[in-house]
Amino acid sequence: GAGVSQTPSNKVTEKGKYVELRCDPISGHTALYWYRQSLGQGPEFLIYFQGTGAADDSGLPNDRFFAVRPEGSVSTLKIQRTERGDSAVYLCASSDTRAHSGANVLTFGAGSRLTVL
Amino acid sequence: RKEVEQDPGPFNVPEGATVAFNCTYSNSASQSFFWYRQDCRKEPKLLMSVYSSGNEDGRFTAQLNRASQYISLLIRDSKLSDSATYLCVVKRNTGFQKLVFGTGTRLLVSP
Repeated sequence: GAGVSQTPSNKVTEKGKYVELRCDPISGHTALYWYRQSLGQGPEFLIYFQGTGAADDSGLPNDRFFAVRPEGSVSTLKIQRTERGDSAVYLCASSDTRAHSGANVLTFGAGSRLTVL
Repeated sequence: RKEVEQDPGPFNVPEGATVAFNCTYSNSASQSFFWYRQDCRKEPKLLMSVYSSGNEDGRFTAQLNRASQYISLLIRDSKLSDSATYLCVVKRNTGFQKLVFGTGTRLLVSP
């Protein structure tokens, strides 16, 4: 697609529920990132995919968080047993690592705003 | 200590003013540096990369001081449309492409 697409744009759920957030990166971008942004803070790194594999998942806060990218394109961030502290905007970004300069340019989606009641 | 630190502001300036933001980073192995801009309730977008020799893009000038681990962004002749949050971003010198963001500095340009 022309840009990074994220769905849903807004998700309200109850504490303890399971949530899935989807990211469709720019076509041809091999690198995909998930970040989380709380109010008044900068984006916080969660996980980075190169192709189908998670090259760096050091930012996932705990084992309730998991992400997949089975075919090297669309990615899903999964959050189990949601807590109120998980409320944030979840941002997905992709980059073109085929060109050296392109690897540093992240194109973000509009984000999925998660509210846990 | 955070890996990338910025003054959160807000910086309130009149149109036409010159304003400068600073950013410090703690990891000396950091390799690449950027400024991203984020409008209210929007996603971050790349404003400019920061090169060792300093670089300019129109009214925007970025500087890097590796010895002091310090990055700056200068905006000349501020416009109302410059009102946004400016995020300092650092990439480590590792095999992974993780970009670390600062908390951002908020700029408000008034008429």
